[in-house]
Amino acid sequence: SNDLTQPPSVSVSPGQTATITCSGDKLGHKYVCWYQQKPGQSPVLVIYEDTKRPSGIPERFSGSSSGNTATLTISGTQSMDEADYYCQAWDSHTGVFGTGTKVTVL
Amino acid sequence: QMRLQESGPGLVKPSETLSLTCTISGDSISSNTYYWGWIRQPPGKGLEWIGSIYYTGSTYYNPSLNSGVTISIDRARNQFFLKLTSVTAADTAVYYCARDISPGYSYGYLLWGQGTLVTVSS
Repeated sequence: SNDLTQPPSVSVSPGQTATITCSGDKLGHKYVCWYQQKPGQSPVLVIYEDTKRPSGIPERFSGSSSGNTATLTISGTQSMDEADYYCQAWDSHTGVFGTGTKVTVL
Repeated sequence: QMRLQESGPGLVKPSETLSLTCTISGDSISSNTYYWGWIRQPPGKGLEWIGSIYYTGSTYYNPSLNSGVTISIDRARNQFFLKLTSVTAADTAVYYCARDISPGYSYGYLLWGQGTLVTVSS
C-alpha cells in the first residue's frame, strides 16, 4: 500500500515539543520530506531527505525516520508553528502524501 | 529568484479536459536538472501528488490517477503543463505547480506556485 498515515491532530503548549508521526509500508527505505501549510497559503518545505532542513527553516524543526515511521519534531513550539503538516515519501521519483496533521498551539 | 505561476481556466465542465500551465520566471527551466511537479488539494482536504516531469521530458504519475493525466514541458517557453481528461466534480481542487529542492533528485518541493482553483461544474 502507498498510504501514509498521520494523526489528524496534535495539540501542544507554547515552548513544548510537538511530535508528528507518519507511518507507511517500508517507509525507512524511502526518502521522506515534510511540509507546513497555513490557511490560504502554499505549502512550505521544512524537512527533506528525512533529516535535512532547507535554508531559512528554524532549527527547532527536525526529522527522523526508522522502520515504518518517520517523525517531525518541533522543539520549543511557537504560536507561528500552528498549521497543517504533511509528510511525503518518495520512491523512484514517485511521491505520495500523508493524510495531514493539524498542529494547534494552545 | 525563480518563481512559478499557474494559469488556466477556473471552471471546467464535467467530462471535459482540464489544462493548466506553469510558467517559470527568474531563471531558465533548462538551467539545471530539476524535477517539476503538479500537486492538487480539494477544498478543505489534504494534498495529492499528481505527477512530475524531469527537464528531459521523462514523466512520473500517481498510479491512482495515471489514466487521463499528461504532464509535458516546453523548455523554449519556460513552461510545463498538466492535462487531465474526463474530469468529474472530484477533480475540483487548488492545483499547484512546484520545483524540487535538489537537481536530479526527488527529495521535496522547495518552490511552489500560489495555486489556482479549478472548479468542475456544468
